[in-house]
Amino acid sequence: EVQLVESGGGLVQPGRSMKLSCAASGFTFSNYGMAWVRQAPTKGLEWVATISYDGSNTYYRDSVKGRFTISRDNPKSTLYLQMNSLRSEDTATYYCTRQTWYFDYWGQGVMVTVSS
Amino acid sequence: DVQMTQSPSNLAASPGESVSINCKASKSISKYLAWFQQKPGKANKLLIYSGSTLQSGTPSRFSGSGSGTDFTLTLRNLEPEDFGLYYCQQHSEYPWTFGGGTKLELK
Repeated sequence: EVQLVESGGGLVQPGRSMKLSCAASGFTFSNYGMAWVRQAPTKGLEWVATISYDGSNTYYRDSVKGRFTISRDNPKSTLYLQMNSLRSEDTATYYCTRQTWYFDYWGQGVMVTVSS
Repeated sequence: DVQMTQSPSNLAASPGESVSINCKASKSISKYLAWFQQKPGKANKLLIYSGSTLQSGTPSRFSGSGSGTDFTLTLRNLEPEDFGLYYCQQHSEYPWTFGGGTKLELK
């Protein structure tokens, strides 16, 4: 059974940093692209970043380019999202997803609140 | 970016009924549209991809149709577990974009 479990969220002040992790199990992690998708409170879903199966290619939405870094550790089957210079508009639940061309498995999400 | 417009935003129905949810893309995305179900306390669930291909485990009462810019998710013979939020998402080009969501409620 595919499982994706996010961790590392919480309350952070504007301008500070936070790192999210996603532990994957139930599939060969190194064979799949992975992504982060977020959802602001009472809002819809928004794709954030994608990383290829081997980490050689990364893609970001414009609003997080230069501030967020997606990475992975294949031997540990873990996905990361390093978030720097956080803004109030980054407040959201962040979901780890497995990505082929579509997001076929999702974690339950971790909440990030950016507030002073 | 490809804008995805979903309608209606809210929908009320009873078990046993059939409903349809529409999704319109701002440009052609060929067949590359996915549908997801979101329910509180559960992981989001992929239902359909590439417009009409059912993900493994998706009940046959769900169906997807359309291509180009106009797509439809149809749910037939609604079951109690079908009530929740539904989102469309284009998987044709970056940045991947989602529709605004449709809340399917019990009438």
